[in-house]
Amino acid sequence: AQSVTQPDIHITVSEGASLELRCNYSYGATPYLFWYVQSPGQGLQLLLKYFSGDTLVQGIKGFEAEFKRSQSSFNLRKPSVHWSDAAEYFCAVGALSNTGKLIFGQGTTLQVKP
Amino acid sequence: KAGVTQTPRYLIKTRGQQVTLSCSPISGHRSVSWYQQTPGQGLQFLFEYFSETQRNKGNFPGRFSGRQFSNSRSEMNVSTLELGDSALYLCASSLDGGAGTGELFFGEGSRLTVL
Repeated sequence: AQSVTQPDIHITVSEGASLELRCNYSYGATPYLFWYVQSPGQGLQLLLKYFSGDTLVQGIKGFEAEFKRSQSSFNLRKPSVHWSDAAEYFCAVGALSNTGKLIFGQGTTLQVKP
Repeated sequence: KAGVTQTPRYLIKTRGQQVTLSCSPISGHRSVSWYQQTPGQGLQFLFEYFSETQRNKGNFPGRFSGRQFSNSRSEMNVSTLELGDSALYLCASSLDGGAGTGELFFGEGSRLTVL
């Protein structure tokens, strides 16, 4: 079955500290992988995506993610977190043949301590 | 470039009623997808429309339906509302449903409360 797992429901980090949000996927086809961020009352904003090629992808707002096929993981990282990064983060997987459909993880809520 | 516009942003209905939500995609985008977001089930795919045709469908009952117009604007309808239909309904547009660019652009959602 196709699925995305984000093991951490809540994460709290101090401002200026590094961040890693975990994501594991199970998908039969060649996956397209995404990280989205959602602020309260808002829609989803794409942070970055991986289709193929270099397994380390850079996104907006200083985020990066690394695709590890052997571990079925696509973890999101940021070297130094800002208070404005507090939000909910979603990992998602899609496929070329599954138009319009992304399978999302349950999300990780990030709290940033001053 | 204007983003994805969803209307209404908030609405309250009672059980048994029906509701229609509207989505205007980004200009030039031909694909519109709909998602339901709830605290318990998370984000779940409802359906995708491309060039006025439903091209992909999630696992929701027939009470959930949609359509797309020639200008790519889309509507979704939920009939015979149930309490469990209370959710944030998100619309996403893309050039081709993500098959090529892989990127969906989301609107801010329509928050439906069923009493």
